[in-house]
Amino acid sequence: EAGVTQFPSHSVIEKGQTVTLRCDPISGHDNLYWYRRVMGKEIKFLLHFVKESKQDESGMPNNRFLAERTGGTYSTLKVQPAELEDSGVYFCASSRVPDLSSFFGQGTRLTVV
Amino acid sequence: QKEVEQNSGPLSVPEGAIASLNCTYSDRGSQSFFWYRQYSGKSPELIMSIYSNGDKEDGRFTAQLNKASQYVSLLIRDSQPSDSATYLCAVKKGSNYQLIWGAGTKLIIKP
Repeated sequence: EAGVTQFPSHSVIEKGQTVTLRCDPISGHDNLYWYRRVMGKEIKFLLHFVKESKQDESGMPNNRFLAERTGGTYSTLKVQPAELEDSGVYFCASSRVPDLSSFFGQGTRLTVV
Repeated sequence: QKEVEQNSGPLSVPEGAIASLNCTYSDRGSQSFFWYRQYSGKSPELIMSIYSNGDKEDGRFTAQLNKASQYVSLLIRDSQPSDSATYLCAVKKGSNYQLIWGAGTKLIIKP
């Protein structure tokens, strides 16, 4: 069984540009989560999808961040326009049932310069 | 006060000894508790989950939960150098399903 897969693994963009991160969850996992770790800080929750619906987006920092999960399969997280403080590692995780353990992808390291 | 607190370490333990990692949480409504291991530059890897008071053992790992005192711990028996990593405590509240994370404890197992 394939794990959670994220693309790209690294991205370096200039301030003001747009970046789209992709996450492919484990097959059959309806629950998909995005998290972010900014340098020196704890991992922070961004949002939670159940299938294609946003269950909880309370952690999204501002309206420059847009997450989608069309068809309830893979998800994208778009940052537009990117700012310097958006730099960090973006993790995606999935679980079969929301109460149970989440399995993480390898993360996308985003650097905004 | 942070919602999930961990000692940042580093915690240095001799090879073969027991490593004890602790975590406290502030929300009494928390219902699910997880320990993740993260090697430098890698993603968090689930080690243990625990949902009820008491001990849960899996191989060399034992998770302990005490909801009355609001702490969860992880014991690693017969510590190996490969156990050297940052151990992250994460908690799920009952009201939603987001993981609330501690900052992690860096564990160093010395040969």
